[in-house]
Amino acid sequence: DTEVTQTPKHLVMGMTNKKSLKCEQHMGHRAMYWYKQKAKKPPELMFVYSYEKLSINESVPSRFSPECPNSSLLNLHLHALQPEDSALYLCASSKRTGNQETQYFGPGTRLLVL
Amino acid sequence: GENVEQHPSTLSVQEGDSAVIKCTYSDSASNYFPWYKQELGKRPQLIIDIRSNVGEKKDQRIAVTLNKTAKHFSLHITETQPEDSAVYFCAASINNAGNMLTFGGGTRLMVKP
Repeated sequence: DTEVTQTPKHLVMGMTNKKSLKCEQHMGHRAMYWYKQKAKKPPELMFVYSYEKLSINESVPSRFSPECPNSSLLNLHLHALQPEDSALYLCASSKRTGNQETQYFGPGTRLLVL
Repeated sequence: GENVEQHPSTLSVQEGDSAVIKCTYSDSASNYFPWYKQELGKRPQLIIDIRSNVGEKKDQRIAVTLNKTAKHFSLHITETQPEDSAVYFCAASINNAGNMLTFGGGTRLMVKP
């Protein structure tokens, strides 16, 4: 398995709903990431997990809650979202090459908050 | 923190021509510079990267150059094809672990047949 996978591909939710996004990789990568991408904009980093521990939280609102149950799996729990949270949510994982981490992205979950 | 500027925001070329996209970064500590291609509705895909101890890297029709002194790096695509049409993002990483990528604003490349 040489890819990062994400489910679901599309998600529509109301502002009172609770939902979760799932990301999986079986490449033995040590770090996993959540990004948010609005239309015609670059990806914006939300969270970084390194060795299953949260290492970076880019001041993301608490209505987004990440979870890393094991080294292959990354979840993003969503609760009480706002319409402006509608975006493409990308997961990535990275492998170490020398002193650098090369990041590979999943296909994303397109989220619409009504 | 790091700031990455990317130009142009849109680029239109004829098939077979070359395309050049330029990025500048602000933090001299940045030492890893990947380029991603994102087709409409698809994931960003890593197409080439360069580390600060290298000035140029080539992979078939794609090349990246880095000028550490001037803090800028460029993507060169030769013999462009319609399938090269996409949004291209440059990025810079500020630390050795490389897990804090700062992206440029993106360039929409259109290759006309």
